[in-house]
Amino acid sequence: AQSVAQPEDQVNVAEGNPLTVKCTYSVSGNPYLFWYVQYPNRGLQFLLKYITGDNLVKGSYGFEAEFNKSQTSFHLKKPSALVSDSALYFCAVSPEYNFNKFYFGSGTKLNVKP
Amino acid sequence: KAGVTQTPRYLIKTRGQQVTLSCSPISGHRSVSWYQQTPGQGLQFLFEYFSETQRNKGNFPGRFSGRQFSNSRSEMNVSTLELGDSALYLCASSFGGDEQFFGPGTRLTVL
Repeated sequence: AQSVAQPEDQVNVAEGNPLTVKCTYSVSGNPYLFWYVQYPNRGLQFLLKYITGDNLVKGSYGFEAEFNKSQTSFHLKKPSALVSDSALYFCAVSPEYNFNKFYFGSGTKLNVKP
Repeated sequence: KAGVTQTPRYLIKTRGQQVTLSCSPISGHRSVSWYQQTPGQGLQFLFEYFSETQRNKGNFPGRFSGRQFSNSRSEMNVSTLELGDSALYLCASSFGGDEQFFGPGTRLTVL
């Protein structure tokens, strides 16, 4: 069965420190990988995606993600966190055999403290 | 380009009633997906429509149904509402095989 795991329900980080939000997946083949962010009472906003190529993908708002095929991971990172980064983050995967079906992780709440 | 719009934004229904939610995708997007978001279950895939045909389906009971019109607008229907159907229902559109663009959601409360 296809699945996406975000092992941390919550991540706390101080403003200015680097942040990492973890994601691992179990999907056969070479899936597309995505990160989305959700602010309170809003829909999800696209941050970045990995399809092929360089394992380090850069996205919106200074975020980047590192794809690791051997560990089937796609961790979200940012060198210096901002208080405004506090939100709910979702990792998503669409399998190679069906790019129109998306599997989402359970979400990780990021808290950035001033 | 206008984003994905969903109506209504909020709904309150009672158990046993039925409800219809509407989604207008971004112009040119032919794929529309629906998700249920709850605090305990996260984001769960309901179904995906493309060119008026249901192309993918999640693991929800038959009380949940949808359709897509020729202009790509989509509706989702839930019949015989249960308390557990209270959730944020999100619609997303895509050009196909690419990132999804989400609407603001419809918050459904079942009393």
